[in-house]
Amino acid sequence: EAGVTQSPTHLIKTRGQQATLRCSPISGHTSVYWYQQALGLGLQFLLWYDEGEERNRGNFPPRFSGRQFPNYSSELNVNALELEDSALYLCASSLGDRGHQPQHFGDGTRLSIL
Amino acid sequence: AQSVSQHNHHVILSEAASLELGCNYSYGGTVNLFWYVQYPGQHLQLLLKYFSGDPLVKGIKGFEAEFIKSKFSFNLRKPSVQWSDTAEYFCAVNTNFGNEKLTFGTGTRLTIIP
Repeated sequence: EAGVTQSPTHLIKTRGQQATLRCSPISGHTSVYWYQQALGLGLQFLLWYDEGEERNRGNFPPRFSGRQFPNYSSELNVNALELEDSALYLCASSLGDRGHQPQHFGDGTRLSIL
Repeated sequence: AQSVSQHNHHVILSEAASLELGCNYSYGGTVNLFWYVQYPGQHLQLLLKYFSGDPLVKGIKGFEAEFIKSKFSFNLRKPSVQWSDTAEYFCAVNTNFGNEKLTFGTGTRLTIIP
């Protein structure tokens, strides 16, 4: 089966711009999670979407937002980019609330802020 | 809120040596526990998971982990490592609802010397 796919692979922006990152979950998965992997900070949870609804968000400012589409794909939007937003952004998907289902990760989008 | 500690930041072993990577979590309730591996240039992959039952769980590639509730630990083990095990290993935890955010440890970089 195809895994979680993310696009673009690499995104270069300047301070103050807006970035959009996209994620397609594994077929049949309804939950999508976003994580940030910044140098020295490890993997931190950003957002969780399930069945089109935001279920939980991590300790990030409101300029980090997203949505989930009817086909369960998702996008992460980051507004007013700051240098500290430079990181690898990982998307994961799971089977939703059908018991204990592990999360499967994509390759990530590397966001570089100049 | 839960937290995860991985005390070994970088471990260097020779091939055929035995491996044990430490993972401790902090959370008062029931948790699900995971080990993920990230090989160079690849995405995060699930090594093994614990939800309930036998506290000794076996994963892929000969890895196993033991959940010791009294010690809040979930250490990863492998009796004989190979050069191909060189990777970064992440311990993660989420709550018993099963699909909520993963809280990750900071990771352990494992280098195997041929």
